[in-house]
Amino acid sequence: EIVLTQSPATLSLSPGERATLSCRASQSVSSYLAWYQQKPGQAPRLLIYDASNRATGIPARFSGSGSGTDFTLTISSLEPEDFAVYYCQQRSNWSWTFGQGTKVEIK
Amino acid sequence: EVQLVQSGAEVKKPGESLKISCKGSGYSFTSYWIGWVRQMPGKGLEWMGIIYPGDSDTRYSPSFQGQVTISADKSISTAYLQWSSLKASDTAMYYCARQGTLVYYFDYWGQGTLVTVSS
Repeated sequence: EIVLTQSPATLSLSPGERATLSCRASQSVSSYLAWYQQKPGQAPRLLIYDASNRATGIPARFSGSGSGTDFTLTISSLEPEDFAVYYCQQRSNWSWTFGQGTKVEIK
Repeated sequence: EVQLVQSGAEVKKPGESLKISCKGSGYSFTSYWIGWVRQMPGKGLEWMGIIYPGDSDTRYSPSFQGQVTISADKSISTAYLQWSSLKASDTAMYYCARQGTLVYYFDYWGQGTLVTVSS
């Protein structure tokens, strides 16, 4: 099973600042990595798929990069509604795994 | 509009059985996989298993194999997650989510079903 490790666990930032979240895979997943946002009391929402493609309706301030084992989600300028938990996710050999999440909180 | 609507919150006692549902609409239900994801209180997302309603092909996470059963009734566009004997540790929010046949990510999610198991 491929393990996804996200860092940091918590990111404390102010609105307008840039957020950089990391996801590292225990073995290569090529570009087959997705990112989700989850706000309290809500279901997760797909943000990014195939490492760098924004899902429908996702603002341009969200971007993804990386391939192989190292991936990054960047929020260029945090809006108040962006403070949430972010998860990465992959599938390999009929096994789906999520990272443990990064919480982006207001500083 | 694609929608996945899950059944309501449940409160059960240990040892009881339970079946929760996820009804899809706004798309061809038999052409997409439906996955189930657990989120224990204050914790992250865990993939439990997935079913293809078109032919009922089902895959389970090793962590959940034998602990739950995933099924689907394509005639009513509904997927199910069931337990035969609940434990307190099954207390969690459960989400269903849609996945396309040629992709690996979940593009639409249900609103979640909270299952509470307590004596």
